[in-house]
Amino acid sequence: GDSVTQMEGPVTLSEEAFLTINCTYTATGYPSLFWYVQYPGEGLQLLLKATKADDKGSNKGFEATYRKETTSFHLEKGSVQVSDSAVYFCALSDSGNTGFQKLVFGTGTRLLVSP
Amino acid sequence: EPEVTQTPSHQVTQMGQEVILRCVPISNHLYFYWYRQILGQKVEFLVSFYNNEISEKSEIFDDQFSVERPDGSNFTLKIRSTKLEDSAMYFCASSEVGQGSSPLHFGNGTRLTVT
Repeated sequence: GDSVTQMEGPVTLSEEAFLTINCTYTATGYPSLFWYVQYPGEGLQLLLKATKADDKGSNKGFEATYRKETTSFHLEKGSVQVSDSAVYFCALSDSGNTGFQKLVFGTGTRLLVSP
Repeated sequence: EPEVTQTPSHQVTQMGQEVILRCVPISNHLYFYWYRQILGQKVEFLVSFYNNEISEKSEIFDDQFSVERPDGSNFTLKIRSTKLEDSAMYFCASSEVGQGSSPLHFGNGTRLTVT
């Protein structure tokens, strides 16, 4: 079945450092790809998405490019802030047999940013 | 911005008891979902619901689980006889359409503790 693999955390960075969180996927068909973020004590929030190969999703300084050739969707940010500390989940959307989507999540990567 | 709301935020119950987790999806959304996250593990799909019926369910969603949309606004998950292994964070989500590119909007979750 479809699956998502993320780098294990925690990722510990100093403020203003460059961030990369790796994500690779296996899927049949052409899934949409997502990054969700979970701040402490909160639910999952959509951070960005890409729906087809070579699309770049971006939001709040974060970017990720849908790379079909490497089946990857790595999350990047040029300069992290303390407020970016959270757990980041990579996910793909699998429409399955019903045509209705269901999300397949990675294990999540905790990011800790220190001042 | 409209959001998905879940109640209660934390539910403690004894093994064998029935619990009902409640969700109010975003008002113009038509597709509803439950996911769960056992502590330290992946976020897992449980069930999707559309037009007053289940559209897809996972292997986790056995006969002990049921979902219902009792009125025009609430969406509930019932566990008939809870087990210790049902302890998890349960997330409700909704989306405008069911296709893969339509993002899911998640609530903040209900933490269920079975003792």
